[in-house]
Amino acid sequence: DQQVKQNSPSLSVQEGRISILNCDYTNSMFDYFLWYKKYPAEGPTFLISISSIKDKNEDGRFTVFLNKSAKHLSLHIVPSQPGDSAVFFCASSVLSNDYKLSFGAGTTVTVRA
Amino acid sequence: NAGVTQTPKFRILKIGQSMTLQCAQDMNHNYMYWYRQDPGMGLKLIYYSVGAGITDKGEVPNGYNVSRSTTEDFPLRLELAAPSQTSVYFCASSYSAGTGARGYTFGSGTRLTVV
Repeated sequence: DQQVKQNSPSLSVQEGRISILNCDYTNSMFDYFLWYKKYPAEGPTFLISISSIKDKNEDGRFTVFLNKSAKHLSLHIVPSQPGDSAVFFCASSVLSNDYKLSFGAGTTVTVRA
Repeated sequence: NAGVTQTPKFRILKIGQSMTLQCAQDMNHNYMYWYRQDPGMGLKLIYYSVGAGITDKGEVPNGYNVSRSTTEDFPLRLELAAPSQTSVYFCASSYSAGTGARGYTFGSGTRLTVV
């Protein structure tokens, strides 16, 4: 039973344009949502997070939007850069549940020059 | 500051063999986790620990065992390796559930092939 879903396995975007990655979840108890970036042969690295009490969080080029009523979050990357070519994972957690993260399958982003 | 260190990086096992995947962190994190990632799939939790001497099962624990005798180390044991255990294994750590905003620190992974 996959509680976190990333329905787009890949995304291709031109350098300088916006990348929008989407994530849906089913567990209404999730109270923290995170995005990780992963390069080949490396572990995932934390990118940005948002608490369930907020609807937007911004950090430089990265903005995460949360729509709790739709159980949907998205990551916007503006502008996209070649170093953003990676796999992006959405993850969610119930903090009171030993902080176990549930991950989506990931979206592979390719930034074209 | 090394963060989370996993060894080995690669390993090929024959069916029925056993091995231990090592994980060590030097950040004094209480929480540690083992995940596996299969192709086209998200990371799935195998086992986790909230402190030395305390371990618990995750989503996919069958075929694995763990121990946590120290804060720093959290080895994952595979007994009687099976082809279904071919995967990339990631160890991660976190200071506590209260640091939800920062997530985990991951190791670089162990790529295991069972033939």
